[in-house]
Amino acid sequence: DGGITQSPKYLFRKEGQNVTLSCEQNLNHDAMYWYRQDPGQGLRLIYYSQIVNDFQKGDIAEGYSVSREKKESFPLTVTSAQKNPTAFYLCASSPGDRGYYEQYFGPGTRLTVT
Amino acid sequence: AQSVTQPDIHITVSEGASLELRCNYSYGATPYLFWYVQSPGQGLQLLLKYFSGDTLVQGIKGFEAEFKRSQSSFNLRKPSVHWSDAAEYFCAVGPFRGGYNKLIFGAGTRLAVHP
Repeated sequence: DGGITQSPKYLFRKEGQNVTLSCEQNLNHDAMYWYRQDPGQGLRLIYYSQIVNDFQKGDIAEGYSVSREKKESFPLTVTSAQKNPTAFYLCASSPGDRGYYEQYFGPGTRLTVT
Repeated sequence: AQSVTQPDIHITVSEGASLELRCNYSYGATPYLFWYVQSPGQGLQLLLKYFSGDTLVQGIKGFEAEFKRSQSSFNLRKPSVHWSDAAEYFCAVGPFRGGYNKLIFGAGTRLAVHP
């Protein structure tokens, strides 16, 4: 089955540690996205990537980093510089073709930093 | 600036009752509009989308939405709600010129269904 995989589902880290969240898709989509979700705030875009080896900052990129070395993978690193990292993180992808804009979402990773 | 407003944070309906979730947007061009649903602790699932053409669009799970340009609205409706419809619903608008298919999401409406 085609889809988006995020692992792990739950992640716990100590303050001051970097942590990397995995996102893999086998939909052959060009574009991939990372969102952060906090209660009552909807989804906020962290980073997005249209093609391999290219990515752009979203609205809340500070304290995060990404890489896009392969079309199917778009890992997100939450660094120690992120002041409030505890949140639900969602990865999404879209075909990227003109006129085809809906995004497909993974199941999410809940990160808790103490 | 582009934005999406979902005026209702929480809505409670009885099972079998009709439902309407409101969505208003601010966008400088012809919008592409989406409704997504999220069950607790899960990712988002696309319910329906509007790109052009007929302003009344049908989606999955018996949902429909109507695009009204004059009111900048894209309200989601269902004639008879089932207990399994309890979830959070997000309206989204896009894309943006040079924005790599970026979408802007509303803050969401949480739906509770009473038996």
